[in-house]
Amino acid sequence: SQQGEEDPQALSIQEGENATMNCSYKTSINNLQWYRQNSGRGLVHLILIRSNEREKHSGRLRVTLDTSKKSSSLLITASRAADTASYFCASPNTGNQFYFGTGTSLTVIP
Amino acid sequence: DGGITQSPKYLFRKEGQNVTLSCEQNLNHDAMYWYRQDPGQGLRLIYYSQIVNDFQKGDIAEGYSVSREKKESFPLTVTSAQKNPTAFYLCASSITGPYGYTFGSGTRLTVV
Repeated sequence: SQQGEEDPQALSIQEGENATMNCSYKTSINNLQWYRQNSGRGLVHLILIRSNEREKHSGRLRVTLDTSKKSSSLLITASRAADTASYFCASPNTGNQFYFGTGTSLTVIP
Repeated sequence: DGGITQSPKYLFRKEGQNVTLSCEQNLNHDAMYWYRQDPGQGLRLIYYSQIVNDFQKGDIAEGYSVSREKKESFPLTVTSAQKNPTAFYLCASSITGPYGYTFGSGTRLTVV
């Protein structure tokens, strides 16, 4: 299994602070994705970063990828209470199936 | 609006019964997937299908069955052989290639 693992498992910050969560994976990949899940809901795709990219931005999101360390990070800047959710990284297996980590539970305190 | 619809949202099953979870998409995606999520856990792949009339087992296929007779539909049957079926089930779809998945809103199955 190429299942990624997020770190930390849980993170609690004040509104306005930045939130950083990390993901490690096991084998070579051609891309890595980050998803968000609100409680009791489906996952929402946030961003995809390809193996030849080191950094990618989308609004308040910044994703980095270090293929030499088999790790990625997701930074949410200027967090808001609405960012409270679980965040998952997903790394692909052979073919088009993605394996999801156990997630980081983010709580943003107003 | 295009999307992926799972039904029902909540489902209760008596022990020994088979139940079928519905997943329909109108995104014209070729690939569809079923995942299981247990409390505080990540997603585990049950089955996936990359084309109509073809599907493959994921990591935890035992006790589950699927069909893919139409591109739009990928129903999952939880059989009585699945000993611990209480979980949150998520269906997803994607176009072929390294692209993101679109997820449904999930079905919460409880055995009573």
